Amino acid sequence: DAGVIQSPRHEVTEMGQEVTLRCKPISGHNSLFWYRQTMMRGLELLIYFNNNVPIDDSGMPEDRFSAKMPNASFSTLKIQPSEPRDSAVYFCASSFGQGIEAFFGQGTRLTVV
Amino acid sequence: GIQVEQSPPDLILQEGANSTLRCNFSDSVNNLQWFHQNPWGQLINLFYIPSGTKQNGRLSATTVATERYSLLYISSSQTTDSGVYFCAVVTGGFKTIFGAGTRLFVKA
Repeated sequence: DAGVIQSPRHEVTEMGQEVTLRCKPISGHNSLFWYRQTMMRGLELLIYFNNNVPIDDSGMPEDRFSAKMPNASFSTLKIQPSEPRDSAVYFCASSFGQGIEAFFGQGTRLTVV
Repeated sequence: GIQVEQSPPDLILQEGANSTLRCNFSDSVNNLQWFHQNPWGQLINLFYIPSGTKQNGRLSATTVATERYSLLYISSSQTTDSGVYFCAVVTGGFKTIFGAGTRLFVKA
């Protein structure tokens, strides 16, 4: 298996623009997680899905952030409008069931200028 | 919410030395993982260890769930071991919470 695949790997955008990050989980995994990593706050869980349904989105920082999982093989994290403080590395992870070992993608480094 | 504390925050080793990293957590957890984040930012799975002891080459880990801690042992450290080591716990609500990490630098 190719592992968790995220795209793009790097994104530079101007403040106010919409940003969409994409994630393909490992085939057969039914739990998917979005994390954000910054120097100040470390690795934070933003939202996680189980069987394509959002279970806990309490980590989503503001209404500007939204996430969807239309099917078992694809998820998006959207920021609209983006702000410089959203600059971070965003990771997607998947696991075979809740509470089971999670595997991470390579991350997307987002820079908002 | 649950607190996950890792120690030490920073560690410098001479190549060949051994070390022990610790992870304390404040409440019962369903599972625990150790990750290594390499200098390129990739998060690599080391151990999935809700309890007991596991070994993989020069690395081993022990989790004592009843006492709410886990230890990661690195023996005969190499420069490629440098990076940040994270402990992550899975709570009763199936949320995964990361510690702040231990930053390791191994000198040649």
